[in-house]
Amino acid sequence: GAVVSQHPSWVICKSGTSVKIECRSLDFQATTMFWYRQFPKQSLMLMATSNEGSKATYEQGVEKDKFLINHASLTLSTLTVTSAHPEDSSFYICSASSHDSNKNIQYFGAGTRLSVL
Amino acid sequence: SQQGEEDPQALSIQEGENATMNCSYKTSINNLQWYRQNSGRGLVHLILIRSNEREKHSGRLRVTLDTSKKSSSLLITASRAADTASYFCATSDKLIFGTGTRLQVFP
Repeated sequence: GAVVSQHPSWVICKSGTSVKIECRSLDFQATTMFWYRQFPKQSLMLMATSNEGSKATYEQGVEKDKFLINHASLTLSTLTVTSAHPEDSSFYICSASSHDSNKNIQYFGAGTRLSVL
Repeated sequence: SQQGEEDPQALSIQEGENATMNCSYKTSINNLQWYRQNSGRGLVHLILIRSNEREKHSGRLRVTLDTSKKSSSLLITASRAADTASYFCATSDKLIFGTGTRLQVFP
């Protein structure tokens, strides 16, 4: 099956620093990648959708200057949490889909747990 | 607001029993999907059912869809301890996830 690798799996940082999370599709070309945020025992909340080579589309209430998304290639998207604060602590999950595979099925990374001190 | 709402929120059963989870959604859909999430991990796609389908099977999984009631159910037969996870439904192109059902299967 399609594999999506997300790195790092866990990061602790100081308040005010920036953190970059990578999402890679290992065995397929991801035309679209998604970034989600999940709080404990809650559902996934879609933050943004990115298509390769174009600007990401952010969901309402998500600050695009705070959460920078880059999808420069068909196998890599990055999410940078800029000037992180404790309230940004959460579980961030990426997913990828491809027009070549079953449409609408998303393949998920294992997630990144961010803790901001 | 979220599109899908699963119930129950939590379910505990013994190995070998069947587990049924329900999902209700608000707007019309092209398809509905079920995903599974182990604690602290990403999601794994289980099954997709299209709006013109009423029932679908995959191994021990059985999914039904009732578009008139805007609801779907996921049945896991002969459950195993390894089925312990959270299960989410999600709808259509831009996956909007429900709140999930936390399933605990005791050996």
